Amino acid sequence: RKEVEQDPGPFNVPEGATVAFNCTYSNSASQSFFWYRQDCRKEPKLLMSVYSSGNEDGRFTAQLNRASQYISLLIRDSKLSDSATYLCVAAGEYGNKLVFGAGTILRVKS
Amino acid sequence: DAGVTQSPTHLIKTRGQQVTLRCSPKSGHDTVSWYQQALGQGPQFIFQYYEEEERQRGNFPDRFSGHQFPNYSSELNVNALLLGDSALYLCASSLGSSGRNYGYTFGSGTRLTVV
Repeated sequence: RKEVEQDPGPFNVPEGATVAFNCTYSNSASQSFFWYRQDCRKEPKLLMSVYSSGNEDGRFTAQLNRASQYISLLIRDSKLSDSATYLCVAAGEYGNKLVFGAGTILRVKS
Repeated sequence: DAGVTQSPTHLIKTRGQQVTLRCSPKSGHDTVSWYQQALGQGPQFIFQYYEEEERQRGNFPDRFSGHQFPNYSSELNVNALLLGDSALYLCASSLGSSGRNYGYTFGSGTRLTVV
């Protein structure tokens, strides 16, 4: 079983739609969680950090459920520019190792 | 303020050869981590260097080795290349060995193709 698992998608949604991604992690010692965005053939870029019960940044909301060991990402009012791969990440116990999921592909269409 | 710089951007090597990839961390960062990203997969942690020492290592064979210099830059060396080593190699820098407070910054990567 992979340490971080997420639905690979792709999620094909129209502009303006709301889309949600889920991710599960198996290491209960993980302390920090993140969502990264990766555009095709580019490096991952931090989208949001999720440290406690959740985090909101504009159209993006991330939630953490420690009891069930999953985190989610909600994107409201999707834009064409949101099309990318979204990587769910858990940081190791000491925060010095990032464990990535395989990514969820989002395609927003006009 | 320069971000993370990696070189070269692309590289083609033959099976059995050796390769060295280079990384200069973001200004103010002192820790470098290396990741391997195969096509269609998320990045996999190779190792982390802090204070010129390897602090943590992922599940990679000894063919993968590294070094950190006093100016915090780092090299990743891969010996006896296999076809399966073809991937995007990412360098991430942070302040301190735990990136939880200040986050990690990734370079644009080196795309290695082994033929």
